[in-house]
Amino acid sequence: QVQLQESGPGLVKPSETLSLTCTVSGGSISSFYWNWIRQPPGKGLEWVGYIYDSGSTNYNPSLKSRVTISVDTSKNQFSLKLSSVTAADSAVYYCARDLAPVQHWGQGTLVTVSS
Amino acid sequence: EIVLTQSPGTLSLSPGERAILSCRASQSVSSSYLAWYQHKPGQAPRLLVYGASSRATGIPDRFSGSGSGTDFTLTISSLEPEDFAVYYCQQFDTSRITFGQGTRLEIK
Repeated sequence: QVQLQESGPGLVKPSETLSLTCTVSGGSISSFYWNWIRQPPGKGLEWVGYIYDSGSTNYNPSLKSRVTISVDTSKNQFSLKLSSVTAADSAVYYCARDLAPVQHWGQGTLVTVSS
Repeated sequence: EIVLTQSPGTLSLSPGERAILSCRASQSVSSSYLAWYQHKPGQAPRLLVYGASSRATGIPDRFSGSGSGTDFTLTISSLEPEDFAVYYCQQFDTSRITFGQGTRLEIK
């Protein structure tokens, strides 16, 4: 059974870059789509973007100018970088596999943007 | 971008009652790419239904999905205490994923 685990700082200062990594176990990262999805406090789910194992990406248009998703197949990991963060980027960030449906999810990690 | 609008925002029902949750799309959605999730605090979302009407593995048959085009429905035939949660619909189209804003199912 594939498992996903998010890791990274829980606190990021405004204007800095949020960096998270998702480690995939129990299966290969190859030949699948890998997403970042977030949920701000008290709000609904928001798709951030995805990457395919080949490295092709697609991002939410509202975040596109600040988002980079990359993959490291040798480590079975993929990563999120979100630049110039503000308090509005505070959220639980989930990594997840597949597009429709999203079948496998990490447990999520809370990232707070605050000075 | 396809916008998904869920209704009602909050649904207050008692265990044993039937719940009907609606998801309306701003334009036609392929049924193959319409899914429903249950989300509880502190947990990852749980896939309930995919392809608009197919139950995911291990999902009780009291959960059923239906619909096509722009109107989709998730029905819970007889609510169990563990069913009170937030429910989201989700679609994939033109390389983008979008979620509805969610329906909160609360105990009356």
